[in-house]
Amino acid sequence: GQQLNQSPQSMFIQEGEDVSMNCTSSSIFNTWLWYKQDPGEGPVLLIALYKAGELTSNGRLTAQFGITRKDSFLNISASIPSDVGIYFCAGHLGGTSYGKLTFGQGTILTVHP
Amino acid sequence: DTEVTQTPKHLVMGMTNKKSLKCEQHMGHRAMYWYKQKAKKPPELMFVYSYEKLSINESVPSRFSPECPNSSLLNLHLHALQPEDSALYLCASSHPPGTGKANYGYTFGSGTRLTVV
Repeated sequence: GQQLNQSPQSMFIQEGEDVSMNCTSSSIFNTWLWYKQDPGEGPVLLIALYKAGELTSNGRLTAQFGITRKDSFLNISASIPSDVGIYFCAGHLGGTSYGKLTFGQGTILTVHP
Repeated sequence: DTEVTQTPKHLVMGMTNKKSLKCEQHMGHRAMYWYKQKAKKPPELMFVYSYEKLSINESVPSRFSPECPNSSLLNLHLHALQPEDSALYLCASSHPPGTGKANYGYTFGSGTRLTVV
């Protein structure tokens, strides 16, 4: 089946630093999604990408849908303590696979004040 | 209303108990999902309902029984669970295919933390 390789697995950074994480796949997706999950809560959608090459921003977050449709990255600029959490990428193929998201393994982000 | 509400937030049950998890959304979404998530792992899909009909069952054991009584509600009935079934159970909803809405981003609930003893 499809698998997503998400890296890095964890990051320890100082407040104010920029963060970059990415996901790669052996097969293509038609949609890439980035979620953040806080402890004891469900994942919250940060950015959705629908077209190859698309670059989208949401405040301090920027994400891109790779031109090959097999990868995506998420950047966080000027990190703050509330950015702490687990970030998941997810790919969606659609068609007969509608409803099935393939998740990456997650990036655990720790921000030191 | 842009929320998916799950109850209860926490549940402890014995292996012989029968319990149910509930999920409700009022966003007009006609696709609803159950996911299981272990600590620091990604969510794993269990079931997909589209227009109140079960469309995907990811080979989930029969001790988990989903039910979609109407377009706003989704239940997960639990019976004779094992300790390894302890996890965070997440409900999510989205627009289904064919609606002309290119939004495949799920809205997740906060989950039910289930402990089987």
